[in-house]
Amino acid sequence: KQEVTQIPAALSVPEGENLVLNCSFTDSAIYNLQWFRQDPGKGLTSLLLIQSSQREQTSGRLNASLDKSSGRSTLYIAASQPGDSATYLCAVWNYGGSQGNLIFGKGTKLSVKP
Amino acid sequence: EPEVTQTPSHQVTQMGQEVILRCVPISNHLYFYWYRQILGQKVEFLVSFYNNEISEKSEIFDDQFSVERPDGSNFTLKIRSTKLEDSAMYFCASSGQSNSPLHFGNGTRLTVT
Repeated sequence: KQEVTQIPAALSVPEGENLVLNCSFTDSAIYNLQWFRQDPGKGLTSLLLIQSSQREQTSGRLNASLDKSSGRSTLYIAASQPGDSATYLCAVWNYGGSQGNLIFGKGTKLSVKP
Repeated sequence: EPEVTQTPSHQVTQMGQEVILRCVPISNHLYFYWYRQILGQKVEFLVSFYNNEISEKSEIFDDQFSVERPDGSNFTLKIRSTKLEDSAMYFCASSGQSNSPLHFGNGTRLTVT
C-alpha cells in the first residue's frame, strides 16, 4: 500500500532563505507527483505536477524534482517570502488507481518570518 | 482564472441527518472528485466521477455516500445519515484531462453534532 511521508512536519525560516521540502513514497509505480499549497481554511492550490518520466519541473521560485526509483521528491523554494507561509502537500497518483485517486502526505507547515 | 466553487462553506448538522454538499467545477472540465480532510490528518480520496458515472471510490465511500451531477454545472456529495466521524473538511476538485493537475475548491467544513 502506497505511503507518502513528508519531512519536516514544520519549518520556520527567516525571509530570504532558500529551503527544501522533502517527500518520500514507498511504491515507485506512479503516474505523477503533485505539489500543492494549502492556506488555513482554504482549498489546495496546485503548484507543480511532475510526470513519472520527468526529473523536475520549475515555476518561478519553485523547483520540484522527482527520483522515482528511490521514491523521493523535493520542493525547492528560492528566496523565501512571508507570503510563502502555508502548508505544502505532496501527492502521488499510483498505477492501478483512477485519475484523481491521489495519495497525500501530511504536509510541511512552512512559516517565513519577515 | 476559473475556479471550483463549493457551498456552503460551513455546515452544521445533527447525527443521523442527511446533508448535501455542493460544488460547481470548472466549466470545461470532465473529471470530478471529492476528498475529505479530518482535522489534523491527511487529505483522503473519496470518489472520482467521469462521463456521468463513478470511476473509482475508496473504502471510506460506503453506502451512506452518493454523488450526482444533476445538471451541466453542479456536482454534489450526499451523506445519507451523518455520523460524528463524518466531521471533516470536504473538498471538491476537477481536472480537464487525464493526467492533468487537479483544481480544488475551498472546501465545506462539515460539523456533525
